[in-house]
Amino acid sequence: DTGVSQDPRHKITKRGQNVTFRCDPISEHNRLYWYRQTLGQGPEFLTYFQNEAQLEKSRLLSDRFSAERPKGSFSTLEIQRTEQGDSAMYLCASSPWTSGGSYEQYFGPGTRLTVT
Amino acid sequence: KQEVTQIPAALSVPEGENLVLNCSFTDSAIYNLQWFRQDPGKGLTSLLLIQSSQREQTSGRLNASLDKSSGRSTLYIAASQPGDSATYLCAALNQAGTALIFGKGTTLSVSS
Repeated sequence: DTGVSQDPRHKITKRGQNVTFRCDPISEHNRLYWYRQTLGQGPEFLTYFQNEAQLEKSRLLSDRFSAERPKGSFSTLEIQRTEQGDSAMYLCASSPWTSGGSYEQYFGPGTRLTVT
Repeated sequence: KQEVTQIPAALSVPEGENLVLNCSFTDSAIYNLQWFRQDPGKGLTSLLLIQSSQREQTSGRLNASLDKSSGRSTLYIAASQPGDSATYLCAALNQAGTALIFGKGTTLSVSS
């Protein structure tokens, strides 16, 4: 069990460019979540997958954002036409599903995005 | 809409002191409540999880309590150490189990 991993750890991009982040959850965790955290704030929920199905999306996830989890394993989060307001830490988490389970979420180290 | 509030926003204590961090939430219909630690520029480390049917959980020097009826949780840290310096976040999981709602955190500084 190597924990949740995220790549890249840091990304600097110019306004208007597209960026893609990857998250590898703990193996056999079928639930995967994306959050965004800005400086001085707690993380905010973006979206949730159960296996390959995207079952919930926050209103924060504008049309410029898209997330996928094609085979129910790793996930990608793409931001198109980045804006300076997209600068934040993007966090991925995973949890196992067991009937009556705790759904405890385990977080990755995050991807720090800076839009210049 | 669930809102989570943490008080105080920042706390400074000398080493060895016992302390309490407070968390309140507006909607008692939660699945569970998790406490996390976050070091600067890092991801979140889960400290304790309390199921909605439980009243408290303990791990080492940490004890977390949950009172759903009043919408409150506390994190008690005994005999604080400089290594405890970090931001502590509480988060309520919605009843569907699909999203954590976080407070803004309490930044703790323990001086030696």
